[in-house]
Amino acid sequence: SAVISQKPSRDICQRGTSLTIQCQVDSQVTMMFWYRQQPGQSLTLIATANQGSEATYESGFVIDKFPISRPNLTFSTLTVSNMSPEDSSIYLCSVALAEQFFGPGTRLTVL
Amino acid sequence: AQTVTQSQPEMSVQEAETVTLSCTYDTSESDYYLFWYKQPPSRQMILVIRQEAYKQQNATENRFSVNFQKAAKSFSLKISDSQLGDAAMYFCAYRGPQGGSEKLVFGKGTKLTVNP
Repeated sequence: SAVISQKPSRDICQRGTSLTIQCQVDSQVTMMFWYRQQPGQSLTLIATANQGSEATYESGFVIDKFPISRPNLTFSTLTVSNMSPEDSSIYLCSVALAEQFFGPGTRLTVL
Repeated sequence: AQTVTQSQPEMSVQEAETVTLSCTYDTSESDYYLFWYKQPPSRQMILVIRQEAYKQQNATENRFSVNFQKAAKSFSLKISDSQLGDAAMYFCAYRGPQGGSEKLVFGKGTKLTVNP
């Protein structure tokens, strides 16, 4: 199994600002994933982050809006840039071992 | 592209009774994995059960079991002896074959209410 922590657990931000979310795993993993869960909705994959290479973004998500870093095998960050109220969501990081484990999520509210 | 469909936005069950949550999926792959995740109000995603497509035997985890019908592309979750703590959102998810993308494709979810 894997223990995943995320910081911050929640934040309230102003329109036009950026927020960086951190994800820390207690073991080395190749793939880390960032998901978005809009209010009352399911999870949608934003991007896959592999250590040492550029993140791979899903359709509808771009690097300028959601830049990702993956400096080592236990850590990743997701930045939500130039935020608008439509970015208000829960952002979850996840790692794939025998199965996928999820972090506790970051609840973001944009005013 | 793979899709996952949960046709029941909400379900309710009496405590100690049995409830079945439905899930269908679409894929052209023959080897894949299916999951049920539970998300309580705490928003933590908790893996409930996992099924490998190559296994004919339905997975079981204590009070949770699945009915996996590969030809029909159906993957329902049965919760027996429902408990108040089972109340949550339940998401069905698909993952492609080993060695490929590890990403999960989720259904829209079913909100389960357990009545005392």
